Amino acid sequence: AQTVTQSQPEMSVQEAETVTLSCTYDTSESNYYLFWYKQPPSRQMILVIRQEAYKQQNATENRFSVNFQKAAKSFSLKISDSQLGDTAMYFCAHFSQGGSEKLVFGKGTKLTVNP
Amino acid sequence: DVKVTQSSRYLVKRTGEKVFLECVQDMDHENMFWYRQDPGLGLRLIYFSYDVKMKEKGDIPEGYSVSREKKERFSLILESASTNQTSMYLCASSLGLAGVNEQFFGPGTRLTVL
Repeated sequence: AQTVTQSQPEMSVQEAETVTLSCTYDTSESNYYLFWYKQPPSRQMILVIRQEAYKQQNATENRFSVNFQKAAKSFSLKISDSQLGDTAMYFCAHFSQGGSEKLVFGKGTKLTVNP
Repeated sequence: DVKVTQSSRYLVKRTGEKVFLECVQDMDHENMFWYRQDPGLGLRLIYFSYDVKMKEKGDIPEGYSVSREKKERFSLILESASTNQTSMYLCASSLGLAGVNEQFFGPGTRLTVL
C-alpha cells in the first residue's frame, strides 16, 4: 500500500527565514507524481507545487522549491523568505499510476510564520 | 479560475438524520472527489467519480453514498448520520487522469452530528 509520512506535525519559522518541511513516501511503482498542498486557516486548499517522478530536476514555484530524492523516496518542501501568509497546514501527497489509482495524503504539517 | 463550491460551510444535524452535502464545479472536470479531514489524520478519500453516474469507493466509504447525475455536481449522502461522522468534508475536482493533475478544492463543510 502506498503511504505518505510527514514527520513534523508542527513547525514554526521567523518571517524572512527559510524552512523545510519533510515528506517521505512508499511505492513500488516507477511512474508517479508528488504534490504539496497548502491549506491556510479557514481557506481553501490550493496546490503549491507538483513533481513528476521521471523528471530529475526539482520543481520550483517562486519561493517554494522541493528536494526530490527518488532513491530515498523523499520529497521535502523548502520555503524561502517566509511570509506571514505562508502560515497554513501543508499536506504532501502522492499518486502512482498502476498503484491504488488514488491520491494519498500525509497527515499534514502545521506551519506558523512568526513576525 | 476553477471554482468548486459546497452547499454549506457549517452544518449541524442530529443522529439518525439523512444528510446531503452538495458540491458543484464550473470547469467541466471529469473527476470529482469527496474527502474527510480530521486533525492528525490528514485527508482520507471517501468516494470519487470519474464520469457522470460513475463512482468508486475510496478508503473510508462505510456509512456514505454518493450521487453524480450531472457532470458538474457530486453529492455526498450520509444515510443515517452518526456522531463519529462529525468532521470537515472537502470536495475536489480535477481534469484528466485522476491523481495525475492538480485537484481543485472547495471551501469545506464542517459537519457536526449531535
